[in-house]
Amino acid sequence: EDKVVQSPLSLVVHEGDTVTLNCSYEVTNFRSLLWYKQEKKAPTFLFMLTSSGIEKKSGRLSSILDKKELFSILNITATQTGDSAIYLCAVEAKRDSGGSNYKLTFGKGTLLTVNP
Amino acid sequence: NAGVTQTPKFQVLKTGQSMTLQCAQDMNHNSMYWYRQDPGMGLRLIYYSASEGTTDKGEVPNGYNVSRLNKREFSLRLESAAPSQTSVYFCASSEFSFYEQYFGPGTRLTVT
Repeated sequence: EDKVVQSPLSLVVHEGDTVTLNCSYEVTNFRSLLWYKQEKKAPTFLFMLTSSGIEKKSGRLSSILDKKELFSILNITATQTGDSAIYLCAVEAKRDSGGSNYKLTFGKGTLLTVNP
Repeated sequence: NAGVTQTPKFQVLKTGQSMTLQCAQDMNHNSMYWYRQDPGMGLRLIYYSASEGTTDKGEVPNGYNVSRLNKREFSLRLESAAPSQTSVYFCASSEFSFYEQYFGPGTRLTVT
């Protein structure tokens, strides 16, 4: 059974702090890892990672994947109150080695609270 | 450009009743998805449609059926609602299977 484990489950920081969120996974036939941010309603896409060691960056957010150690991290520098949200990690994998169907498994998320 | 829309936003059902959740996207995406989100469980995939005319089961398909009516629309049907189906339901779409997904605003369903 595929597993995606995020840590910590929750985190409280002050504005200006830097945070690192973790996502480890155990899946067969890995294809990609995705990060989403969920505020009050629907998740919004942040990053998609397919290759090890290549950092994806968007403003103060960055992410990197390690396919050997089976984890990814999401970094947020100079946090702001608007970064408060649940951050979701999801791993895409082929259903079976010979098929063309894919599946997506989400972690339970990290609840980040940024206090002023 | 509305993105992904879902109706209704809220619904209360009695056990055994049926209903259909509607989802539409205007981004010309090939793939569409239905998720449910429960406290402490994260997002779980119910069904998805990789392209028009195809549907596949996700992680938790029991008690649900789907229809990919056309490229724009993907509906989720509960034939006989149960309290265990109380959840927030999200529809999503993407250009290709499981690529960057755009989510709808969600439907909060309560089954009593």
